[in-house]
Amino acid sequence: SAVISQKPSRDICQRGTSLTIQCQVDSQVTMMFWYRQQPGQSLTLIATANQGSEATYESGFVIDKFPISRPNLTFSTLTVSNMSPEDSSIYLCSVEDVLSGNTIYFGEGSWLTVV
Amino acid sequence: AQRVTQPEKLLSVFKGAPVELKCNYSYSGSPELFWYVQYSRQRLQLLLRHISRESIKGFTADLNKGETSFHLKKPFAQEEDSAMYYCALYNFNKFYFGSGTKLNVKP
Repeated sequence: SAVISQKPSRDICQRGTSLTIQCQVDSQVTMMFWYRQQPGQSLTLIATANQGSEATYESGFVIDKFPISRPNLTFSTLTVSNMSPEDSSIYLCSVEDVLSGNTIYFGEGSWLTVV
Repeated sequence: AQRVTQPEKLLSVFKGAPVELKCNYSYSGSPELFWYVQYSRQRLQLLLRHISRESIKGFTADLNKGETSFHLKKPFAQEEDSAMYYCALYNFNKFYFGSGTKLNVKP
């Protein structure tokens, strides 16, 4: 399975600021995704990061708030913009490993606390 | 629309007891279903998927299309099974997760 590294693993952010989370994969993958896991809740898909084109956002998530980059097949970033306490969450990068069928693997997550 | 429901937020059992974590789904086509597990301070990881029909760490899950269920079972729970368990449905390159069940296996 792909090895996924996320940075930062944890951060405390000031209200109104923005933070960029990086996701690095040790192999080329076609599909990369960003999820959010708010405290006590399940995983919610934010967007699919498309290489070479704009990300595909799920209902309730917009590019201005969560801009995503995918410059190549092994790297993606998610920015959480103009943060508020409601953005306090774990943000997870995941990839789909086509060699394992329709299976996705997760990074360790980035735990953001907005104060 | 796709939906995955895990009705139990917390399930506590004693070591050696049988375990069943419930998962129900709503989906009009032929679903692909998975169970993911998250141990304390570890990343979310795949436990098993229904199409491979395998048993991992003693866990099995059978897809019941009539009842639209994919319950996770283990005949004898171990303390190291304590974790969060998420049922997930795959459709058109997207995964939809249930709200998760915390399994607590008591000694």
